[in-house]
Amino acid sequence: AQKVTQAQTEISVVEKEDVTLDCVYETRDTTYYLFWYKQPPSGELVFLIRRNSFDEQNEISGRYSWNFQKSTSSFNFTITASQVVDSAVYFCALKLAQKLVFGQGTRLTINP
Amino acid sequence: DVKVTQSSRYLVKRTGEKVFLECVQDMDHENMFWYRQDPGLGLRLIYFSYDVKMKEKGDIPEGYSVSREKKERFSLILESASTNQTSMYLCASSPRRGMVTQYFGPGTRLLVL
Repeated sequence: AQKVTQAQTEISVVEKEDVTLDCVYETRDTTYYLFWYKQPPSGELVFLIRRNSFDEQNEISGRYSWNFQKSTSSFNFTITASQVVDSAVYFCALKLAQKLVFGQGTRLTINP
Repeated sequence: DVKVTQSSRYLVKRTGEKVFLECVQDMDHENMFWYRQDPGLGLRLIYFSYDVKMKEKGDIPEGYSVSREKKERFSLILESASTNQTSMYLCASSPRRGMVTQYFGPGTRLLVL
């Protein structure tokens, strides 16, 4: 099966806490891409990051960081010093051919 | 900036009506996609198109059809709406080669009564 699993359905933390969103994927392909998208209450999916299977370097962008580990088929997303504006549903996705396969999403709530 | 627009943010229709959802992108992308989003299920692909007049079934095409007469426009059609098609519908586009990122529109929340 080729699929993405986000086991955390909902996470709620207090502002300024660090939070990690988990993503585990399964694929038979040796070349693939992984993505994270953010869906704020407005509904539009906002692209956050793309990572290809040959690049296992971790990435940091401001308060966001991503940890890609092929050995465990995981692509986890950490928000440092969370803010209320980070409240959203976050989706991890795997690109197969021209299509994206999405995880179920994690609803993140940051409380003031 | 990539811009994907959808014709309606909210739509209310009655069972049995024919429903058209329109999507337009302005980045000359070859690929366009229609997804539906339901709680606990994430996004599921309904149909996609990789060129004008071309279409491919996604994972859940039953009850839907699509039309792509122009490169920038991709329409999703519910021939006879049913209550189980109440959902959030999201359109996306991407180039066929190079950057593979899909860019999404704002979504249409459809309620079928």
